[in-house]
Amino acid sequence: EVRLVESGGGLVRPGGSLRLSCAASGFTFSDYHMNWVRQAPGKGLEWVSYISNTGATINYADSVKGRFTISRDNAKKSLFLQMNSLRVEDTAVYYCARDPALLWFREFSGMDAWGQGTTVAVSS
Amino acid sequence: DIQMTQSPSTLSASVGDRVTITCRASQSISSWLAWYQQKPGKAPKLLIHKASSLEDGVPSRFGGGGSGTDFTLTISSLQPDDFATYYCQQYHRSPLTFGGGTKVEIK
Repeated sequence: EVRLVESGGGLVRPGGSLRLSCAASGFTFSDYHMNWVRQAPGKGLEWVSYISNTGATINYADSVKGRFTISRDNAKKSLFLQMNSLRVEDTAVYYCARDPALLWFREFSGMDAWGQGTTVAVSS
Repeated sequence: DIQMTQSPSTLSASVGDRVTITCRASQSISSWLAWYQQKPGKAPKLLIHKASSLEDGVPSRFGGGGSGTDFTLTISSLQPDDFATYYCQQYHRSPLTFGGGTKVEIK
């Protein structure tokens, strides 16, 4: 069974930092690109960041560029999101999501597996 | 950036109805479009990729169409389990972008 389990969320003051983790199981993690997607309370989905299967290609949304860093450890089947200089508007549920694009020799595809999400609240 | 516009934002329908949700891209994305279903408090679920390819296990009452800039998600006969919010997403190029969502409510 494919599983993605996020952790590391919590309450943090503006300007603070958090490191999110996503533990993968049930599939060959190194064969998949990965994404972070967030959803602010009562709002829609917002893509945050992408990392290719090897980590060679990384993309960020403009809203987090320069503050967030995505990384992965294929040996440990884990995805990470280091979030610095957090703002109130970063408050959201953060999901890690699997991207099977490599199966079709592409960079991106629909995200076919998602974690349950971890909640980040930024407030003073 | 490619903007994705969904309509309507809310749709009221009855069990058995045929419903159609539209998604428009601000520029051509070929067929690089996905549709997701999300229920309250749950993660999104991929329904359709490449505009019209149904994911394994998704009921055949769901169908996707379109290419270029205009796309549709159709539910041929709405079932109680289908009341949810639906999102389109383009993956033609980064940044990946989602539509604003369509909430399908019980009439």
